[in-house]
Amino acid sequence: KAGVTQTPRYLIKTRGQQVTLSCSPISGHRSVSWYQQTPGQGLQFLFEYFSETQRNKGNFPGRFSGRQFSNSRSEMNVSTLELGDSALYLCASSLNGLAGINEQFFGPGTRLTVL
Amino acid sequence: AQSVTQLGSHVSVSEGALVLLRCNYSSSVPPYLFWYVQYPNQGLQLLLKYTTGATLVKGINGFEAEFKKSETSFHLTKPSAHMSDAAEYFCAVRTSGGSYIPTFGRGTSLIVHP
Repeated sequence: KAGVTQTPRYLIKTRGQQVTLSCSPISGHRSVSWYQQTPGQGLQFLFEYFSETQRNKGNFPGRFSGRQFSNSRSEMNVSTLELGDSALYLCASSLNGLAGINEQFFGPGTRLTVL
Repeated sequence: AQSVTQLGSHVSVSEGALVLLRCNYSSSVPPYLFWYVQYPNQGLQLLLKYTTGATLVKGINGFEAEFKKSETSFHLTKPSAHMSDAAEYFCAVRTSGGSYIPTFGRGTSLIVHP
């Protein structure tokens, strides 16, 4: 069974631009969560989608948004990029969601660099 | 508020030695506790998790962790380190309240010397 895939793996943008990251979960998984990982803040929860509905949201500004499609694939969008948005963005999938209590399967991440 | 503290950003051991990675948490609800491992240029992989029941939890790759409620700890151990264990390890706990958002520790980098 294929794992979680994320595209692109690396991305370079400039301040003020916007970016869209994509995540394909493991086949059969209905939940996708997104995380931001930085050396300064560690691993922080962005949001979780389950069956196309946002179920939980972390403490991030509205510039960070996401969506999930009927095939469970998910996209994350960051608008008006800031230097501080440079990070590794991880996507994780699970069968039934509730990231805080169920096992998640993580993708390799997208490394975003904002110049 | 819930939090996770991992003592020691780096832990160095010799191959064959005991591995002990420390994790203390605070939570106002019964905790769900996790240990994840991250190898270079990869995502996180679940090592083990505690929900309810037996306080000694066995995971993959020979790792285990013991939930100690009185000490609010969930330390990760492995009797004998292998070179392949070198990685970043994260402890996580679910948040309190009605949400199920996980809070992660800052991570501990395990270095294994030959």
